[in-house]
Amino acid sequence: QKEVEQNSGPLSVPEGAIASLNCTYSDRGSQSFFWYRQYSGKSPELIMSIYSNGDKEDGRFTAQLNKASQYVSLLIRDSQPSDSATYLCAGDSGGSNYKLTFGKGTLLTVNP
Amino acid sequence: DAGITQSPRHKVTETGTPVTLRCHQTENHRYMYWYRQDPGHGLRLIHYSYGVKDTDKGEVSDGYSVSRSKTEDFLLTLESATSSQTSVYFCAILGSSGPTDTQYFGPGTRLTVL
Repeated sequence: QKEVEQNSGPLSVPEGAIASLNCTYSDRGSQSFFWYRQYSGKSPELIMSIYSNGDKEDGRFTAQLNKASQYVSLLIRDSQPSDSATYLCAGDSGGSNYKLTFGKGTLLTVNP
Repeated sequence: DAGITQSPRHKVTETGTPVTLRCHQTENHRYMYWYRQDPGHGLRLIHYSYGVKDTDKGEVSDGYSVSRSKTEDFLLTLESATSSQTSVYFCAILGSSGPTDTQYFGPGTRLTVL
């Protein structure tokens, strides 16, 4: 059973801090990884994708991938109350991007 | 929003009744998906389609059937709804995301089975 596990949370950080969200995966064949943000009562929204080892930055968001350790993370710098949401990590299935395995999500609350 | 709509957005029904949820997309995507999302379980794949009349099962397909007679429409049917099928149902399509593709989600349907 291929799995994606996320730190269970909930995670609470003060406004302006760095929020760190972590994810491990069991499928060594996975090549592409994605972070989705889901506000309460809304659908998941893609915010970051990463395919290569290392860091990928987009504004206040940095995704990190370490394939040797089977580890993916998302850092949110200068966290804002509007970042409060559930964050879902997903990986492709053995390198086939038409099927994704999702983690159960981590609820992040950013306190003003 | 990847041009995806779902209908109905909310539905309350009774145990034993048939229910059909519709997903409609406007951008000619080949792959379409149905997920359910429940507290403590995350997103779970029910069925997916890789073309007209081409479908396959996901991890929680029991009690559900699907049909895709047109590229733009993917229907999910609960033949005889049960209370365990109370959930939020999301449709998704496979679309472009830089060098690869990933899934983009519709707004969801909240289904309550009494």
